[in-house]
Amino acid sequence: DTAVSQTPKYLVTQMGNDKSIKCEQNLGHDTMYWYKQDSKKFLKIMFSYNNKELIINETVPNRFSPKSPDKAHLNLHINSLELGDSAVYFCASSQEVPARRTYNEQFFGPGTRLTVL
Amino acid sequence: AQKITQTQPGMFVQEKEAVTLDCTYDTSDPSYGLFWYKQPSSGEMIFLIYQGSYDQQNATEGRYSLNFQKARKSANLVISASQLGDSAMYFCAMREALTGDSNYQLIWGAGTKLIIKP
Repeated sequence: DTAVSQTPKYLVTQMGNDKSIKCEQNLGHDTMYWYKQDSKKFLKIMFSYNNKELIINETVPNRFSPKSPDKAHLNLHINSLELGDSAVYFCASSQEVPARRTYNEQFFGPGTRLTVL
Repeated sequence: AQKITQTQPGMFVQEKEAVTLDCTYDTSDPSYGLFWYKQPSSGEMIFLIYQGSYDQQNATEGRYSLNFQKARKSANLVISASQLGDSAMYFCAMREALTGDSNYQLIWGAGTKLIIKP
């Protein structure tokens, strides 16, 4: 009954390879996110999807591409991996509320530790 | 410009003492939300507490409470009767709109590493 799941948990790969990280949420949320957490623990939003539409696209390299086949999934594809891509990647989801006076928390997956050699 | 500031990179606290983790924020949007998350050494991100900008009362969740001072733009997390299991990174985050009602982002502070001493 995991709320937000990510696979794989660990990913070790060579520079130049292409890899994907999968994310699924069973909470019925309408918005999903990808974050990158660097070695100093700083969290940076990469993408978010609301009802299958990209609504945030931070200045990440275009080697990173999110793909959402449906509302419950938001996968992250990374092409031509570089050493600087090594980090922990978190998927998260939340349910937006119509009124702007209250906001719901984001639920996070367990993270995927990516190591590029 | 830094929008969320956590001024304490690390803190040591004696077990059973109360601890306050500082968070200040900067926004011109009258509607925003403030969140605190805990990240233990195992790595998962755990939601602790939320405070809305229009909430009249300070938020409380068990041993966690939020000292929300809107005029000072601060939202400090207070943990009462600290326990060894409270040792973790703590992140403050602010939710604000980018444009319109459907475009928004969660801005994160750099975190505070809290270590509880037995």
